[in-house]
Amino acid sequence: EDQVTQSPEALRLQEGESSSLNCSYTVSGLRGLFWYRQDPGKGPEFLFTLYSAGEEKEKERLKATLTKKESFLHITAPKPEDSATYLCAKRDSGGSNYKLTFGKGTLLTVNP
Amino acid sequence: DTGVSQDPRHKITKRGQNVTFRCDPISEHNRLYWYRQTLGQGPEFLTYFQNEAQLEKSRLLSDRFSAERPKGSFSTLEIQRTEQGDSAMYLCASSRTPGTTDTQYFGPGTRLTVL
Repeated sequence: EDQVTQSPEALRLQEGESSSLNCSYTVSGLRGLFWYRQDPGKGPEFLFTLYSAGEEKEKERLKATLTKKESFLHITAPKPEDSATYLCAKRDSGGSNYKLTFGKGTLLTVNP
Repeated sequence: DTGVSQDPRHKITKRGQNVTFRCDPISEHNRLYWYRQTLGQGPEFLTYFQNEAQLEKSRLLSDRFSAERPKGSFSTLEIQRTEQGDSAMYLCASSRTPGTTDTQYFGPGTRLTVL
């Protein structure tokens, strides 16, 4: 059973067309919710960490938000260079509180 | 800050051969992690070191896999008697603790193809 579920699996946008990616998670205690960007053939690149419901973080055209059960990555007026796979990961409190559990990612394509 | 480095970037081997990968973490990062990623999936945790101590191994890490981190610096991941199912991207990450976020920073990965 997936503990982190991302939707949609793939998303195609036109340049300038804003949208949101979803990450839902099941955990009794959350120590952190992480967003990474991954380009083809490369390692994940860190974007944001969120710790508590209601928290928001922004970076250029990206904004991440967190509720008790899900996180959203909002992309405002995207550009073709925003095309990548966006990965969401959770870190649990408790015993195994060091490892990240990832979702399968959302493949974002932004057409010019 | 030169980032996490991994070597080699690509490895093609024949089934049954042994392979070894190296990871150099960000300097002063005391935690080091190995993950494996297959096509269309997110990275899956394999093992974790704090300094030179290996503190946990995932059930994904069969007896054919071994990892070391001598002197708490670089780490190696060895796969013995490779199988076609071992084909994947092997990712290394590092972090520093104590720290406010203990954020894991990933390297570029080693792409393994087993023929």
